[in-house]
Amino acid sequence: AQSVTQPDIHITVSEGASLELRCNYSYGATPYLFWYVQSPGQGLQLLLKYFSGDTLVQGIKGFEAEFKRSQSSFNLRKPSVHWSDAAEYFCAVGARRGSQGNLIFGKGTKLSVKP
Amino acid sequence: GAGVSQTPSNKVTEKGKYVELRCDPISGHTALYWYRQSLGQGPEFLIYFQGTGAADDSGLPNDRFFAVRPEGSVSTLKIQRTERGDSAVYLCASSYPGLEGYTFGSGTRLTVV
Repeated sequence: AQSVTQPDIHITVSEGASLELRCNYSYGATPYLFWYVQSPGQGLQLLLKYFSGDTLVQGIKGFEAEFKRSQSSFNLRKPSVHWSDAAEYFCAVGARRGSQGNLIFGKGTKLSVKP
Repeated sequence: GAGVSQTPSNKVTEKGKYVELRCDPISGHTALYWYRQSLGQGPEFLIYFQGTGAADDSGLPNDRFFAVRPEGSVSTLKIQRTERGDSAVYLCASSYPGLEGYTFGSGTRLTVV
């Protein structure tokens, strides 16, 4: 069965520090991978996605993620965190390209940013 | 519209009552999804429409939950005989096949008291 694990429930980083949020997935076929961000009271906003090709993908707001098939991971990174990045981050895996079919989400990682 | 619109944004209902949650997708998006997000959890898939028909309803937890999309646009999620465990944020998303990415609404927070 498909599943997504985000091992860190809550992470606190200082503003300006680098960030890495971990995501591991379990899926038998080619996974389509996503990172979403959710601010309090808001819907989910897509940060980036991986379907195929270059394993390092760039997203919005300065985020990037690297797909590592051998480790079944799709970790999210940002070189320098801003206070406005404080939010909850969700990794998700989908079975089908082209935004068809449902997504399986992890439980999320809450990011706090210290001034 | 410009985004996915969900109404109401908040709904408080008494245990045992019936509720309807509405989703208005982005114009032209043929696919529509309902998810449920409980406190401290990621969104869980409920049902997916392609046009007017439910392409996958495997996530509906039981027969108290039902969703329709009669004209292939607006969708309504219906919950009968609500229980306290139904309290959650219900998220709707829409997409267009081939267009990479789903757009989510802000959700309806349902509280069953």
